[in-house]
Amino acid sequence: NAGVMQNPRHLVRRRGQEARLRCSPMKGHSHVYWYRQLPEEGLKFMVYLQKENIIDESGMPKERFSAEFPKEGPSILRIQQVVRGDSAAYFCASSAGEEYQETQYFGPGTRLLVL
Amino acid sequence: AQSVTQPDIHITVSEGASLELRCNYSYGATPYLFWYVQSPGQGLQLLLKYFSGDTLVQGIKGFEAEFKRSQSSFNLRKPSVHWSDAAEYFCAVGGFSGGYNKLIFGAGTRLAVHP
Repeated sequence: NAGVMQNPRHLVRRRGQEARLRCSPMKGHSHVYWYRQLPEEGLKFMVYLQKENIIDESGMPKERFSAEFPKEGPSILRIQQVVRGDSAAYFCASSAGEEYQETQYFGPGTRLLVL
Repeated sequence: AQSVTQPDIHITVSEGASLELRCNYSYGATPYLFWYVQSPGQGLQLLLKYFSGDTLVQGIKGFEAEFKRSQSSFNLRKPSVHWSDAAEYFCAVGGFSGGYNKLIFGAGTRLAVHP
């Protein structure tokens, strides 16, 4: 049973380019969370999605960042016009349900470096 | 607002020694508490979680944690550390976001193990 998959694992972008990060949840999971980990810090919640719906995007920067989780295919975190401050590790987690007791399973992360 | 504090940024122990990693949380109601471990370049793996009931929780890899409401703490312990336990450990709190499990993480404790 494959775990949460993220790709690419490493992504290098120049300032002003776009970054697309993909997350395939575990089989049977329809709940996806995205977190960002800045260097030497813990993970910070960005957004919570269910299939075709954004439930909570309170942790997303207001501009340049967007997320989607279509009916078919992976969840996408999109960062437009990247800046150096976007350099971080981006993790997604999936769960089978939304209840507090549901375990979130994390992917290996995408490490974004903005030059 | 909810928050998690891990007072120790780095801890070094000798192999075979006991370990205790501290975690304090701030949350008015009964929290849902988690400990995750992150190996270098990897995603997060759940060690254990507490929702209710017995305040001493057993997890994987020989870890346990004790919930102490009076001290707002959820410290992680292991009686005898192995070299493979060297990693970063994150405490997290959930259960406050109205039905889904948005997690707030501490900044992490990096554990080094001496042979």
